[in-house]
Amino acid sequence: DIVMTQGALPNPVPSGESASITCQSSKSLLHSNGKTYLNWYLQRPGQSPQLLIYWMSTRASGVSDRFSGSGSGTDFTLKISSVEAEDVGVYYCQQFLEYPTFGGGTKLELK
Amino acid sequence: EVQLVESGGGLVQPGRSMKLSCAASGFTFNNYDMAWVCQAPKKGLEWVATISYDGSSTYYRDSVKGRFTISRDNAKSTLYLQMDSLRSEDTATYYCARHPYYGYNSWGQGTLVTVSS
Repeated sequence: DIVMTQGALPNPVPSGESASITCQSSKSLLHSNGKTYLNWYLQRPGQSPQLLIYWMSTRASGVSDRFSGSGSGTDFTLKISSVEAEDVGVYYCQQFLEYPTFGGGTKLELK
Repeated sequence: EVQLVESGGGLVQPGRSMKLSCAASGFTFNNYDMAWVCQAPKKGLEWVATISYDGSSTYYRDSVKGRFTISRDNAKSTLYLQMDSLRSEDTATYYCARHPYYGYNSWGQGTLVTVSS
């Protein structure tokens, strides 16, 4: 299985500041079709997860442009610019290259 | 509006069976692969199983192979998860998710399964 490892945030994050969440995969997620099979999800407190970013850098429908994804084949970053109250929750990265696996989650708290 | 509504969870004894359902609406169900994802209490997300849009292909995580069966009824726009030989470690909230080729872009609210004597 591909192992996904997420970094922690220096919580709490001041409102209006930016936050970057890291994720590392044990194998390159770059497919032969040129796409990188790395997704980001947000699970707000008491809610189901929602898709934020797919193919490493494509925002899902309706997702704020304050969210952006970047990275290489094995190292990835989700950046949230100007953090707001609605961004609070746990962020998960997920690989889709093989049978799906998720990272352990990164909690974002607001100051 | 896309809606996924899970049902069928509850308390079950180890070794027994349980069947979860997920009623879909607001989209053309038979155009999409579907998946089940679980989340143990206070833990992270784990993929459980995936079924192709027409039901012809199914995939499972190793820990549930041979015990869980994913299926669908496209005429009823409903996804199922038959869980047999349940273990305490299967205790989790189970989410159904719509699965276009790039990820899980819609999720249900989840149904809690508790395996305990």
